[in-house]
Amino acid sequence: DTGVSQDPRHKITKRGQNVTFRCDPISEHNRLYWYRQTLGQGPEFLTYFQNEAQLEKSRLLSDRFSAERPKGSFSTLEIQRTEQGDSAMYLCASSLARTGGDEQYFGPGTRLTVT
Amino acid sequence: QQQVKQSPQSLIVQKGGIPIINCAYENTAFDYFPWYQQFPGKGPALLIAIRPDVSEKKEGRFTISFNKSAKQFSLHIMDSQPGDSATYFCAAVLGSSNTGKLIFGQGTTLQVKP
Repeated sequence: DTGVSQDPRHKITKRGQNVTFRCDPISEHNRLYWYRQTLGQGPEFLTYFQNEAQLEKSRLLSDRFSAERPKGSFSTLEIQRTEQGDSAMYLCASSLARTGGDEQYFGPGTRLTVT
Repeated sequence: QQQVKQSPQSLIVQKGGIPIINCAYENTAFDYFPWYQQFPGKGPALLIAIRPDVSEKKEGRFTISFNKSAKQFSLHIMDSQPGDSATYFCAAVLGSSNTGKLIFGQGTTLQVKP
């Protein structure tokens, strides 16, 4: 257990529905990341927060995706009008910003299945 | 140019063997290279990491070898055990980026036979 928690662990939804995932990072970590991982692939970066500010979004993050980190603590990732191609593991990671590379700690992930 | 290429895709060794997983990159602006271990249904777990000013780093049974001129790095697992059976990912971080976002390789599935 890295100290990063995600909820729910599994979500099955029908195409067109909205879903929201939550991530609770390690408490003193000021950086929070969302990644997406499909079967047999490495995680791909989606977006990044430093404290409450969303500082970078990948081109993978279409307009249907939105992420927030109010008050710089937990974060939510919402997918609107889900599509079958959204089926993946959504991973959250947190770190403490430092020069030369952070040690990112991942949560267990939320597995999304869109039927 | 922002890719990290990982090989082999899968690897089978006997207990006690030394599996070696290789990664290569093109962008010389990468300056932090971690390795992650992932078990089925779990998130990736940080194993060990290296920076380009060091050619080798050891932590327990895990060793990273880094060849800056060849733009390659590799993970060696000494005295491998069945419990090491997992998927391993190399990753890289752009030094010029202030985000610290990880760029992952494609992963290597390791099976250690008893």
